[in-house]
Amino acid sequence: TAGITQAPTSQILAAGRSMTLRCTQDMRHNAMYWYRQDLGLGLRLIHYSNTAGTTGKGEVPDGYSVSRANTDDFPLTLASAVPSQTSVYFCASSTGSDGNTEAFFGQGTRLTVV
Amino acid sequence: GQNIDQPTEMTATEGAIVQINCTYQTSGFNGLFWYQQHAGEAPTFLSYNVLDGLEEKGRFSSFLSRSKGYSYLLLKELQMKDSASYLCAVMDSNYQLIWGAGTKLIIKP
Repeated sequence: TAGITQAPTSQILAAGRSMTLRCTQDMRHNAMYWYRQDLGLGLRLIHYSNTAGTTGKGEVPDGYSVSRANTDDFPLTLASAVPSQTSVYFCASSTGSDGNTEAFFGQGTRLTVV
Repeated sequence: GQNIDQPTEMTATEGAIVQINCTYQTSGFNGLFWYQQHAGEAPTFLSYNVLDGLEEKGRFSSFLSRSKGYSYLLLKELQMKDSASYLCAVMDSNYQLIWGAGTKLIIKP
């Protein structure tokens, strides 16, 4: 069972370059999320999508964009990377976006911007 | 602002019991979650509380008091594999999850 898959696992990126982090789930979940996790801070929501065709901004959306063309895929794009975007990025999905909805997480992408 | 507080680090002994506390101040409340995260891995779901009281699931229990903005995760019969970070998260009035920074639990033999 694949669940939710992220790629790449890790990446070193030069500042100013663009990059797309990929996320695919095979659970037919409606809701998908992108978080970043930094030492000493909680997971912070970047963007989310409650259903295919819709997206929304989270707590820290600046410098990032997303799309949700279908149920399975939710890519995150950094248009012009900056060192402050060095972080571990987690994609997650859930059946819905309210109440008791367990989130399933991908294994994460460790991004270093130099 | 919205805030989730939990201790940064705790140490306990194998076979013992440990309680990890979480206090929160959020705009609205639609449930509280606990997740476990081993180093270098993804968070995994442990529990969900939306009503006051204790929810027991095997060696793990989670308690909620909405009036106090307080929850705890109780781990019994600690095993070495329980060494991990434990994340508290609250779903606010907009159904967005607000996450605490996590409590790193170190288990000693």
